[in-house]
Amino acid sequence: DQQVKQNSPSLSVQEGRISILNCDYTNSMFDYFLWYKKYPAEGPTFLISISSIKDKNEDGRFTVFLNKSAKHLSLHIVPSQPGDSAVYFCAAHDSTSGTYKYIFGTGTRLKVLA
Amino acid sequence: DSGVTQTPKHLITATGQRVTLRCSPRSGDLSVYWYQQSLDQGLQFLIQYYNGEERAKGNILERFSAQQFPDLHSELNLSSLELGDSALYFCASSESAHSGYEQYFGPGTRLTVT
Repeated sequence: DQQVKQNSPSLSVQEGRISILNCDYTNSMFDYFLWYKKYPAEGPTFLISISSIKDKNEDGRFTVFLNKSAKHLSLHIVPSQPGDSAVYFCAAHDSTSGTYKYIFGTGTRLKVLA
Repeated sequence: DSGVTQTPKHLITATGQRVTLRCSPRSGDLSVYWYQQSLDQGLQFLIQYYNGEERAKGNILERFSAQQFPDLHSELNLSSLELGDSALYFCASSESAHSGYEQYFGPGTRLTVT
């Protein structure tokens, strides 16, 4: 049972336009959410995070929105650049039941077309 | 460069064998996480150590075990290997065991079981 879902395996966007990557989760007790970017043959790198007590966090071209009632978060990249082409993972931090672990989605492959 | 090192980069071995993957966290990071990424799958959390103690357990098989040593490096031991264990194994580190602290990932070890 996947607690963090990224339902779009891939997304193509024109350079300069907005990229919106979506993520749904099932556990309302998750207290922190993070986005990671992964290039081939490399480990994931941290992009941006958001606490469950906030609904928006912005860092340069990257903005994460959290809708707790819908258990949904999204990552907006504006403007999209060819170098943004990568696989994006969303992750949720689970500290329920005394555990502290990160649960990752299956990723969305973003392709930014020049 | 995340500052997290993993050795070896590639490992090819036969079914039934045992291997050890090694991870050195970023300087100052006390927490180490192990993840498995099979083909076209997300990152599956295996286990977390914090300052030498096991902190959280995910979907780790009984054939797998890990430990974190006093110098904070960690090893993941995989035994009685099966074809399905072929995957990328990532190690990540963070300064704390708690939420909100981004994880820094190593480049991964690609394990191929033949």
